[in-house]
Amino acid sequence: GAVVSQHPSWVICKSGTSVKIECRSLDFQATTMFWYRQFPKQSLMLMATSNEGSKATYEQGVEKDKFLINHASLTLSTLTVTSAHPEDSSFYICSAPPSGRNEQFFGPGTRLTVL
Amino acid sequence: AQSVTQLDSHVSVSEGTPVLLRCNYSSSYSPSLFWYVQHPNKGLQLLLKYTSAATLVKGINGFEAEFKKSETSFHLTKPSAHMSDAAEYFCVYKGGNMLTFGGGTRLMVKP
Repeated sequence: GAVVSQHPSWVICKSGTSVKIECRSLDFQATTMFWYRQFPKQSLMLMATSNEGSKATYEQGVEKDKFLINHASLTLSTLTVTSAHPEDSSFYICSAPPSGRNEQFFGPGTRLTVL
Repeated sequence: AQSVTQLDSHVSVSEGTPVLLRCNYSSSYSPSLFWYVQHPNKGLQLLLKYTSAATLVKGINGFEAEFKKSETSFHLTKPSAHMSDAAEYFCVYKGGNMLTFGGGTRLMVKP
């Protein structure tokens, strides 16, 4: 099956720093990837749609200048949390749909803890 | 706009007894529906999916779900719960490439 990886799996940082999270499709190409945020004991909330070669589409209420998304290749999307604050602490999950398949594959998630 | 409602935030069953996790959807179109499981600190794993073929869908680990258009439901069942089934379960609606998640149901399995 299709595999999506994320790196790092867990990151702890100080308030005010920026953190980059990578999402890779390992055995397929993905022109579109999705970024979700999951707070403890809550469901996943779509943050943005990452589009290869063009700007990301952000959901309402998500600050595009704070959550920078770059989809530079067909196998890699990055999410950068700029000037992180403790309230940004969350589980960030990406997903990608292989062409021609009616499902998405999820990365294992990245746990961000901002002190 | 589509929406997905999981009727129970928590379900507790005894090991060996049946499991029922309820999901209702709202959509103007013929839906693609999925059930995912998430174990603590782990990624999402696909259990099963409905894509307008058979209305009774069998998934992994003994789970199955029945699509009922008249009830707009896609409930997840398993005849006999195992301790390893304890996890968070999400019912998901897919429209185009977009996924809409239900609020999740935490399944607890008692020995």
